[in-house]
Amino acid sequence: DTAVSQTPKYLVTQMGNDKSIKCEQNLGHDTMYWYKQDSKKFLKIMFSYNNKELIINETVPNRFSPKSPDKAHLNLHINSLELGDSAVYFCASSQDVGTRPYEQYFGPGTRLTVT
Amino acid sequence: KNQVEQSPQSLIILEGKNCTLQCNYTVSPFSNLRWYKQDTGRGPVSLTIMTFSENTKSNGRYTATLDADTKQSSLHITASQLSDSASYICVVSTREINDYKLSFGAGTTVTVRA
Repeated sequence: DTAVSQTPKYLVTQMGNDKSIKCEQNLGHDTMYWYKQDSKKFLKIMFSYNNKELIINETVPNRFSPKSPDKAHLNLHINSLELGDSAVYFCASSQDVGTRPYEQYFGPGTRLTVT
Repeated sequence: KNQVEQSPQSLIILEGKNCTLQCNYTVSPFSNLRWYKQDTGRGPVSLTIMTFSENTKSNGRYTATLDADTKQSSLHITASQLSDSASYICVVSTREINDYKLSFGAGTTVTVRA
């Protein structure tokens, strides 16, 4: 069974469209994350939710809105897509966020291409 | 300027040889440091996690070191294999009351050749 799964794996869309990427984890973890990896392979954290509450919200455009319906899911909705949004988006989860270094498990990534 | 600097940016080594990757950071206060391996087209996979009190940790042929005083870490790969070809990412965590941050390095791309 896949621990952290994302759908879709590839997403090609036009500028101005609205799209969503879904993420699910079956590890029973309390914390989930969204990362963006650009063409230079630089990984940047975007959001983190712990027990369905937002705990990390880096400086990203408000066109990006995460939604966590329950602890096992963290979806990413993107409005008015722009060319610069083209990247690989990774979802991840960890048991918790705290002073202990909990290991993060990453999904396979969603390659978003905006044309 | 990125708070986590990795070097070299890329390197090529022959199968069976050893190599060492560097990670210097300025992030403070320090909570823990992680090394990830990312194969092409896949998500990162954790190799090691070290807290302030740990100065070395191994995972098979991977050995990470940490000097929290000089804010430096290294990842040593022993007897490299073709499957070690990947990007290796250093991540430093900070943790304060109501504030939790992750700072990522740009990664080192390792290519192992037969």
